[in-house]
Amino acid sequence: DAGVIQSPRHEVTEMGQEVTLRCKPISGHDYLFWYRQTMMRGLELLIYFNNNVPIDDSGMPEDRFSAKMPNASFSTLKIQPSEPRDSAVYFCASSKQGLTEAFFGQGTRLTVV
Amino acid sequence: AQKITQTQPGMFVQEKEAVTLDCTYDTSDPSYGLFWYKQPSSGEMIFLIYQGSYDQQNATEGRYSLNFQKARKSANLVISASQLGDSAMYFCAMREGNQGGKLIFGQGTELSVKP
Repeated sequence: DAGVIQSPRHEVTEMGQEVTLRCKPISGHDYLFWYRQTMMRGLELLIYFNNNVPIDDSGMPEDRFSAKMPNASFSTLKIQPSEPRDSAVYFCASSKQGLTEAFFGQGTRLTVV
Repeated sequence: AQKITQTQPGMFVQEKEAVTLDCTYDTSDPSYGLFWYKQPSSGEMIFLIYQGSYDQQNATEGRYSLNFQKARKSANLVISASQLGDSAMYFCAMREGNQGGKLIFGQGTELSVKP
């Protein structure tokens, strides 16, 4: 299995631009999580899906952030417009049903200048 | 609400010694899972070990063991015979069974292994 695949690995964009981060979960996994990691705030859960349905988006910081999961093999996290404070590493993770571990992608390092 | 606390921002250990990384949690759900992850300087998140709330025995995986004290709501990670490659950030995480599978993380502990 290829594992969780995220793209791009690195993204540098100008303030005000739209940014789209992509994630392909492990085939057969029912849960998909989006996290943001910064030095100040640690690893924050932004949103997670179960069977393509968003379950909890209470961690999404602002309306500028949106996430979709149109099918079981693809999810996007979009920031529009982006701001310098959005600079962080964004992780996608997936897991099977139940109290099982989540497997993480390599992350996307986002820099907004 | 579920909560995970790691009170040690940084720890040092001598190579070949054992080290314990602390983790406490709070939940009202009787069914939950506790996890430890390792994040080396390269950035990837690596799953290490899992403990279920109903498990009678402490979990072990090679040099990793989880000291699970349910009444105290603690799930400390013990690394035996530390190696230089163990230097990394370590995160404790929890998932509740009756809350739709939400997985949250503690603040992390940075472990440095000295030669």
